[in-house]
Amino acid sequence: GAVVSQHPSRVICKSGTSVKIECRSLDFQATTMFWYRQFPKQSLMLMATSNEGSKATYEQGVEKDKFLINHASLTLSTLTVTSAHPEDSSFYICSAVNARSGTGELFFGEGSRLTVL
Amino acid sequence: KQEVTQIPAALSVPEGENLVLNCSFTDSAIYNLQWFRQDPGKGLTSLLLIQSSQREQTSGRLNASLDKSSGRSTLYIAASQPGDSATYLCAVRLATGANSKLTFGKGITLSVRP
Repeated sequence: GAVVSQHPSRVICKSGTSVKIECRSLDFQATTMFWYRQFPKQSLMLMATSNEGSKATYEQGVEKDKFLINHASLTLSTLTVTSAHPEDSSFYICSAVNARSGTGELFFGEGSRLTVL
Repeated sequence: KQEVTQIPAALSVPEGENLVLNCSFTDSAIYNLQWFRQDPGKGLTSLLLIQSSQREQTSGRLNASLDKSSGRSTLYIAASQPGDSATYLCAVRLATGANSKLTFGKGITLSVRP
């Protein structure tokens, strides 16, 4: 199956700093990537839809200035948590759709555990 | 608004048992339905994808069925093993297309006892 790589897998940062998480599709092109957030023992909450070459579409209640998304190429999308606070601590997961397959099958990265001190 | 429900939230079975995980959704106008597995602290692994025109898909010991009209899907696991212990999530994509967003259920946490 298709591979989506997410980096870093774990990051600990101080309150007020910014953290960047990368999501790469390794063996396919992804015109669309999705960013999710997951709290302990909860399902995934969609944060935003990232489209290559255009602005991301954010879900209601997600601050676009807080969670900056850049989808600069067909294989890379980044999520930057700006001025992170302890309440931003969470598990962030990206996913990508293979643009050429046409099936709409979604592939996920391994997730990034963010801890803000 | 599409809602996806998975009941029960947790399930514990002895090794070797065949089991069925249920998923229901409120809007039958879907593009596809996908079953995932998530191990603790990990991302999601795609198990099976069923397009809206299909009724079932099989992979090894797994079989997923789809009944769009009733808004239901089931994931059948044959001869369960302790390694099958994980959280299983189903998700549906709206009929707006292959790049539309998924709506997830809350998942079923399965524990297979040796």
